[in-house]
Amino acid sequence: EPEVTQTPSHQVTQMGQEVILRCVPISNHLYFYWYRQILGQKVEFLVSFYNNEISEKSEIFDDQFSVERPDGSNFTLKIRSTKLEDSAMYFCASSVGRLNPAGYTFGSGTRLTVV
Amino acid sequence: QKEVEQNSGPLSVPEGAIASLNCTYSDRVSQSFFWYRQYSGKSPELIMSIYSNGDKEDGRFTAQLNKASQYVSLLIRDSQPSDSATYLCAVNMDTDKLIFGTGTRLQVFP
Repeated sequence: EPEVTQTPSHQVTQMGQEVILRCVPISNHLYFYWYRQILGQKVEFLVSFYNNEISEKSEIFDDQFSVERPDGSNFTLKIRSTKLEDSAMYFCASSVGRLNPAGYTFGSGTRLTVV
Repeated sequence: QKEVEQNSGPLSVPEGAIASLNCTYSDRVSQSFFWYRQYSGKSPELIMSIYSNGDKEDGRFTAQLNKASQYVSLLIRDSQPSDSATYLCAVNMDTDKLIFGTGTRLQVFP
């Protein structure tokens, strides 16, 4: 079964450092997303991406965050200057179509720890 | 603010029983509804999707949707210890992002 692949599985970084989280969506999917889940809290939407541009972003997705699809297969989330409160599981997801009743496929996640 | 509400649990049921998980949502324009299962430290895994009023069955799982009451539920028949996990209700509202509830933790004991 096709998978969404995320690397690394765990990243530890110092406050103020830049991190890049990587994702390889399912090959025939067109819509890409980043979500995060702070420990013990709900899964929260960060950003959706379609046709090489951001289609929607949440209030969380401020100027410190950016997304890119640099080479037609990878989909990356960059956090420019990490804060302690950025510590969370970050999930990439992809979907074949918008408002797809089949839902998204989530990757296995990257646990980001900011110290 | 658009919300999805779930009882956090834990909901404890004996093996073989029916587990009933409930979810309410605030936005009447919501279009699609999803149940995800999440094991501790893992990513959400889609179990069921539903977008029309009524019941939808898939194996041991039945999703029920009542748009007039803004209510969606998940029934798990013949619950197994391996069903022990957190069940997340998620809703597409007016865009393609998903709004998640906090999840209900289900414990199935032998």
